[in-house]
Amino acid sequence: AQSVSQHNHHVILSEAASLELGCNYSYGGTVNLFWYVQYPGQHLQLLLKYFSGDPLVKGIKGFEAEFIKSKFSFNLRKPSVQWSDTAEYFCAVSRLSNSGYALNFGKGTSLLVTP
Amino acid sequence: DTGVSQDPRHKITKRGQNVTFRCDPISEHNRLYWYRQTLGQGPEFLTYFQNEAQLEKSRLLSDRFSAERPKGSFSTLEIQRTEQGDSAMYLCASSFRTGNTLYYNEQFFGPGTRLTVL
Repeated sequence: AQSVSQHNHHVILSEAASLELGCNYSYGGTVNLFWYVQYPGQHLQLLLKYFSGDPLVKGIKGFEAEFIKSKFSFNLRKPSVQWSDTAEYFCAVSRLSNSGYALNFGKGTSLLVTP
Repeated sequence: DTGVSQDPRHKITKRGQNVTFRCDPISEHNRLYWYRQTLGQGPEFLTYFQNEAQLEKSRLLSDRFSAERPKGSFSTLEIQRTEQGDSAMYLCASSFRTGNTLYYNEQFFGPGTRLTVL
């Protein structure tokens, strides 16, 4: 079945550590790629998106992601995490289909950053 | 606040009761999506509207679920004869297409309605 896979369900890091969250998808054809973040008690917010062009995408709060088409991957990175990055991170894919660019989400990765 | 709003934020109901949720999208957004999120899962697509037209419904949306967007603005999601398995967070999102792009822009999410069915 077509899906979005996030490799890590729970990640614990110390402040200033580097972060990489894996995301792979199994859809063929042209896709749009997203990372959303959900801070505790808040709604889903867009971190970054890839539609076309430069496969290295920079988002808010120092996050970036790299689209590697050959690997069907869109991994999220941040060189130095902060305590305020503690949140749930979701990778999502959309494409033109009967669902009109509806988002297909991974299961999410819960990140805890310790002081 | 000009973001997506949802009402109520929390709903507790007894099994068998009907519930209705409302979503107000960002005003110029012509696409509106409903998703459902259960614990430990990412949001799952339920249905979407372009203006007032409901263009697709997921297989997750049983015949107890109905959604409307009567004037192409706010939308309602009704669940009839609720079951305990309906307990979840129901999320609404909206988006729009700008200029000549083939793509719809990213979706903006509301805070969700958390439904608990006892």
